[in-house]
Amino acid sequence: GAGVSQSPRYKVAKRGQDVALRCDPISGHVSLFWYQQALGQGPEFLTYFQNEAQLDKSGLPSDRFFAERPEGSVSTLKIQRTQQEDSAVYLCASTPGGQGALGYGYTFGSGTRLTVV
Amino acid sequence: KQEVTQIPAALSVPEGENLVLNCSFTDSAIYNLQWFRQDPGKGLTSLLLIQSSQREQTSGRLNASLDKSSGRSTLYIAASQPGDSATYLCAVLNAGNNRKLIWGLGTSLAVNP
Repeated sequence: GAGVSQSPRYKVAKRGQDVALRCDPISGHVSLFWYQQALGQGPEFLTYFQNEAQLDKSGLPSDRFFAERPEGSVSTLKIQRTQQEDSAVYLCASTPGGQGALGYGYTFGSGTRLTVV
Repeated sequence: KQEVTQIPAALSVPEGENLVLNCSFTDSAIYNLQWFRQDPGKGLTSLLLIQSSQREQTSGRLNASLDKSSGRSTLYIAASQPGDSATYLCAVLNAGNNRKLIWGLGTSLAVNP
């Protein structure tokens, strides 16, 4: 597609509920990233995929967070047993290049605003 | 550890003014620096990407410069318009950190008609 698409745009979850956030990167983009942005803060790295391989998940806050990109295109970020501190905007970004091609800028989606009540 | 700082945190100017937003970073070993715009409740829009070997990039009324040795970048906005009102974020891609962007907290810009 023309840009990075994320769905849903808004999600309200009750505490303890599981949620799944979807990211459709730009077609053909090798690298895909998830970031978490709390109110008034800059984005914080969560995880990075090169094609279907999850090369870095060091930013995932706890084992309640899980991300996958099984076919190297669409990615899903799943949060189990949501807590209030999970409330944030979850941003997805993609770039054309992989590990060895770092000259590309990042294209971000519009994000999913998650509110846990 | 790379740290990115943006000054000022907030800026309010009358329409038509030229303005400069500043971004500084502590570790000069970067691959590139990218400026983004974020509107309230929206995602991030990429404005300009400067590679570590470049000194500046221009797009329309925007010009971004990079002085890697001193750890500074500036975003210059010419003839500001109310539609430029947004938060402007800079992010650096560190060498050797597996492609994580390191972000400043942003400058919140208000351009008043």
